[in-house]
Amino acid sequence: DQQVKQNSPSLSVQEGRISILNCDYTNSMFDYFLWYKKYPAEGPTFLISISSIKDKNEDGRFTVFLNKSAKHLSLHIVPSQPGDSAVYFCAAHYTNAGKSTFGDGTTLTVKP
Amino acid sequence: DGGITQSPKYLFRKEGQNVTLSCEQNLNHDAMYWYRQDPGQGLRLIYYSQIVNDFQNGDIAEGYSVSREKKESFPLTVTSAQKNPTAFYLCASSIWQISNQPQHFGDGTRLSIL
Repeated sequence: DQQVKQNSPSLSVQEGRISILNCDYTNSMFDYFLWYKKYPAEGPTFLISISSIKDKNEDGRFTVFLNKSAKHLSLHIVPSQPGDSAVYFCAAHYTNAGKSTFGDGTTLTVKP
Repeated sequence: DGGITQSPKYLFRKEGQNVTLSCEQNLNHDAMYWYRQDPGQGLRLIYYSQIVNDFQNGDIAEGYSVSREKKESFPLTVTSAQKNPTAFYLCASSIWQISNQPQHFGDGTRLSIL
């Protein structure tokens, strides 16, 4: 039973346009959500997070939206740049358990 | 520079052999984690440790073992009982019990069977 799902394995957008990456979860006990970015042959790096008590968090070109009733979050990148091309992982964290559950990732390609 | 170091970057295992993957951090983090990544899949948690001399099973602990004798070190042994060990292994660390603190990852070890 996959508790965190990223239903789009890949996404291709034009440079300068908006990229929207989606993530769904099933466990209502998750209290923090994080997005990580990963380049080939490297470890993931943290991008942005959001608490379950908020519905939006913004950091420069990156904004994460949380719809708790729908158990859905999304990452918006505006404007998209070729350097954003990477695999993006959604992760849901349950503080009491002390661990995060990751989705399968979405490969974003930003075309010049 | 603070960070996590995984070694080796590439590792080959013969059938029936145990191998140990190294993970060292100098971030003074309490919690450390081991993940496995297979092609096209996300990160699956193998083991995690919140403090020295303590660790918990993750979702796929069978065929693996860990130790946490020092705060900065969390080695993972892939035993011969792990029948499909070929994968990309990632180690991470974080500040314990502070939810909005992300995990910091090493650059991984790719394990292959000879």
